[in-house]
Amino acid sequence: EVELVESGGGLVQPGRSLRLSCTASGFIFNDHAMHWVRQRPGKGLEWVSGISWNSDNIGYAESVKGRFTISRDNAKNSVFLQMNNLRLEDTAVYYCAKDNGGTGWYFFEDWGQGILVIVSS
Amino acid sequence: EIVMTQSPLSLPVTPGEPASISCRSSRSLLHSDGFNYLDWYLQKPGQSPQLLVYLGSNRASGVPDRFRGSGSGTDFTLKITRVEAEDIGVYYCMQALETPVAFGPGTRLEIK
Repeated sequence: EVELVESGGGLVQPGRSLRLSCTASGFIFNDHAMHWVRQRPGKGLEWVSGISWNSDNIGYAESVKGRFTISRDNAKNSVFLQMNNLRLEDTAVYYCAKDNGGTGWYFFEDWGQGILVIVSS
Repeated sequence: EIVMTQSPLSLPVTPGEPASISCRSSRSLLHSDGFNYLDWYLQKPGQSPQLLVYLGSNRASGVPDRFRGSGSGTDFTLKITRVEAEDIGVYYCMQALETPVAFGPGTRLEIK
């Protein structure tokens, strides 16, 4: 059974940093691209970033470009989201999602339970 | 970047009746490989999103056959042949053809 477990969320002040982790199990991790998707309180889904199986293909939403960095460690079955210079509008539940594909983006066949990030002074 | 729209944004339905959600993209989602890179997700109350339909018309594993995705290019539809109470939640379409990946605004299905 596929399992994606996010961690690292919490309360952080504006301008500070936070690093999210997603640990995967139940599938061959380095066969799949991975993504971060967020949902602000009461709002819809917003794709944040994606990374291919070998980290050669990486993409970001304009809203986070230059502030967030996605990475992965295939040996540890984990994907990370380094979030710097956090803003109030980054407050959201962040979901880790597994892509069906490895190199490009196809569809998100499994999702984690989500982790809450609150940016507040 | 590709922009996704959905209609309606709110959909009250009587159990047993059909329901239909429209999704449109600002550019064609038809790839040269012949697939439309359009997926449908359902987020039930208090839960993570779940995949319903991928590549335009393929039901995900375990999804009941009352859910049917169709369309090509820029116009897509998700139809539920007979709505059940467990189908309530917010339905999102998503394009994965180009970066950035984009979701539609969501359609909230509620039971009358």
